Amino acid sequence: KAGVTQTPRYLIKTRGQQVTLSCSPISGHRSVSWYQQTPGQGLQFLFEYFSETQRNKGNFPGRFSGRQFSNSRSEMNVSTLELGDSALYLCASSFPHGLAGGQADTQYFGPGTRLTVL
Amino acid sequence: AQTVTQSQPEMSVQEAETVTLSCTYDTSENNYYLFWYKQPPSRQMILVIRQEAYKQQNATENRFSVNFQKAAKSFSLKISDSQLGDTAMYFCAFMKGAGGTSYGKLTFGQGTILTVHP
Repeated sequence: KAGVTQTPRYLIKTRGQQVTLSCSPISGHRSVSWYQQTPGQGLQFLFEYFSETQRNKGNFPGRFSGRQFSNSRSEMNVSTLELGDSALYLCASSFPHGLAGGQADTQYFGPGTRLTVL
Repeated sequence: AQTVTQSQPEMSVQEAETVTLSCTYDTSENNYYLFWYKQPPSRQMILVIRQEAYKQQNATENRFSVNFQKAAKSFSLKISDSQLGDTAMYFCAFMKGAGGTSYGKLTFGQGTILTVHP
């Protein structure tokens, strides 16, 4: 079974631009979560989507947004990029609780998108 | 809010020996999951092991096992017969159980860099 895929793998943008990152979950997984990883702040939760609905959101400004499509693929968007948005963005997919028995909620990660803001 | 603490920023071990990584967490929840993930230099986040809080039996996965002490809120990872491929950053992570509004959110510790020496 194919794993979680993320595109693009690398991005270089300049301040003020916007960017869209894509995540395709493992087949059958319907929950997608996004994380930002930086050396200073570590791994921080951005948001989670299930059935095209955002069910949970972390403590990030409104410049960070996302969506999920009917095939469970998800995108996140960052508008008006700042230098501090440079990070590795990870997405993870899972079966939500109540489905797939004992492996519910176990998140499997993609390889990440490395975003550099100049 | 939940917090996860990994007090060992770096550890090293000789190949074939055993090493234990420490993790403590703070929560008022009774239903939750705990995970260990590894992140090698490729930055791919890989699930190592999962533990449900309601299970008294410690989880094991081949050379990896945990010591889950619920009352002490401690969740350590033991790696037996260490291999060079175990060299990675290891993250301890917490997730609330089903219900509430904390869908799909992993709370991570700061990570422990493990180096396996030949």
